[in-house]
This record gives sequence, C-alpha cells and structure tokens, in this order.
Amino acid sequence: DVVMTQSPLSLAVTLGQPASISCRSSQSLVYTDGNTYLNWFHQRPGQSPRRLIYKVSNRDSGVPDRFSGSGSGTDFTLKISRVEAEDVGVYYCMQGTHWPKYTFGQGTKLEIK
Amino acid sequence: QVQLVESGGGLVKPGGSLRLSCAASGFTFSDYYMSWIRQAPGKGLEWVSYISSSGDNIYYADSVKGRFTISRDNAKNSLFLQMNSLRGEDTAVYYCARRTGNLDYWGQGTLVTVSS
Repeated sequence: DVVMTQSPLSLAVTLGQPASISCRSSQSLVYTDGNTYLNWFHQRPGQSPRRLIYKVSNRDSGVPDRFSGSGSGTDFTLKISRVEAEDVGVYYCMQGTHWPKYTFGQGTKLEIK
Repeated sequence: QVQLVESGGGLVKPGGSLRLSCAASGFTFSDYYMSWIRQAPGKGLEWVSYISSSGDNIYYADSVKGRFTISRDNAKNSLFLQMNSLRGEDTAVYYCARRTGNLDYWGQGTLVTVSS
C-alpha cells in the first residue's frame, strides 16, 4: 500500500501568518494518464471533511485563493498564505492514483496561536 | 446542490450487524462511483469500500473484507453498507462520499458504536 506521510502533525499559527503542510508518498503518484491524483481535505471540529484541492493544485469551487497546492511525484505541499480563524481543524492529504487502495495521510492539526 | 445523507448508525454488540444507508440528491447518482470512509473517534480517515456506478466493480479495505458488503440502488439514489460480525475496532463515524480517488462530496456521517 502507498503510505502518505504528513508533517508537521500539528501546527500553531498566528492569525494573518502563513502556514505550510507537507505530504510525502511512498511511491510516485503520477498515474498512467499523466495526472497526479493528490487531494487535500479540511475537517473542521465536528464536521465532515471538505475537499480543498484536487490533482495537486486545483482549488475546489468556493475555496479561498489563500489556499494553494503544489508538488510532484512524491512530494506535495499545501500552503495557506494568511491564516484566518476559520482555517482551524485537521488537514489531510489523500492519494487517488494507486487504486483500489486509496490512502490518507495521518492528518495535520492547525490551531491559532 | 449535491447532498449525501447517511443514516442507520447506532449502538451494536460485538458480533452484531448494522446496515448503513446514504441518500443522494442533487446529481445523477447512477453516473458516479461511490465510497464509504470511516473515522474512529479522535483518529484519522480510513477508506472502507467503493462501488462502481453500475455496481459491478466493488472493492473493500482488508480490514473489512468478508464482513462488509457495499451495494447501491440507482433507482432510489441510495448507497448501502451492510456490516456483519462487527468488532470494537469498527467503532467510527461512517461517511459516504462521491467518487473514489477524487472524493469530492461527503455526507455528514453516521456514528457506529460497537460495544457490549
């Protein structure tokens, strides 16, 4: 199975400051069609996960442009340019390349300092 | 708008069974693969199972294979998860989600607690 490793596992950020989360996969996430199926999800306390980013860098509808995704191969990053209060919660990366065994990272908890 | 609403969770004894349902609306259900993902209390996300749009392609995580059965009724826009031989480690919030490797919409989840 492809192992997804996130770092850090927790992050405390001052409002208005940037934040960055790393996600590394144990195998390349480039699929045979040339796409890289790496997603980022945000889960607020008590809520279900919401997808923020798909295929590495594509923001979902309604996701603020302060969120950006980047990376290739096995190394990926989610960046928040200026953290706002509503950004607290847990962020997960997930690989959708190596089906049928899709796998998530352990999660990174973001809180406000 | 896309809506996924799970139901059927509850408290069940070890070895017992439970059937979860997911009612879909706001999109053409029969066009999409669907998935179940679970989250144990205070833990991360674990993908459980998926089913193709027609129901002829199904996959399970090793942790539930042989005990859980996924199915769907496209006429009723519904997804199901039959859970048998439940164990304590199956205690989790179960989410249904649209698609598979590119999960785009999630339901609010239903809690399954396995305890004597």
